Amino acid sequence: SYELTQPPSVSASPGQTARITCSADALPNQYAYWFQQRPGQAPVMIICKDIERPSGIPERFSGSRSGTTVTLTISGVQAEDEADYYCQSADSSGNWVFGGGTKLTVL
Amino acid sequence: EVQLVQSGAEVKKPGESLKISCKGSGYSFTSNWIGWVRQMPGKGLEWMGIIFPGDSDTRYSPSFQGQVTFSADRSVSTAYLHWRSLKASDTARYYCARLGTSGWNYWGQGTLVTVSS
Repeated sequence: SYELTQPPSVSASPGQTARITCSADALPNQYAYWFQQRPGQAPVMIICKDIERPSGIPERFSGSRSGTTVTLTISGVQAEDEADYYCQSADSSGNWVFGGGTKLTVL
Repeated sequence: EVQLVQSGAEVKKPGESLKISCKGSGYSFTSNWIGWVRQMPGKGLEWMGIIFPGDSDTRYSPSFQGQVTFSADRSVSTAYLHWRSLKASDTARYYCARLGTSGWNYWGQGTLVTVSS
């Protein structure tokens, strides 16, 4: 089955840059999306189609792709960015899947 | 304004049936896929599958095939997630989401389902 692999946790101090990776064999053929989920809240899409930032999402959030890996970069981490982050994509049959999630801790 | 409003929390016993809902507003309900996502306590997001309310085309993720049923009622702009026989392991929060041109950009608030004897 199709799987997306993320690190379980990432930490950064305020003002630093945090990077969260997501990899899968089939990724080159499908767009990736990133979601932020704060405790007790519904997920929010923060990056779409690998690199696009939806309206209202702060500029410090950016996405990139290199081969089979996509990366979410948070430049100038803020305390409010402490949350779980999930990548998402679809396989060749159109089945959507999430990565396992990464907990970002702001030190 | 696009909104997805889900039904309230449920407490059920094992073996009981349940249908939870997701009502769309602010857009053409029949024109966008609706997806369902499970989040078990303290765990990550799991994609359950999708339904297209326009024609009820339905696609289930392998892990959920045969375990749940999706449906949609276009007359009330509402999608449903149905269980015939709940198990304790179905205890989770369930989200619906709408697929737009940019991705799954609108989400319901979630419905907490607790299954306990």
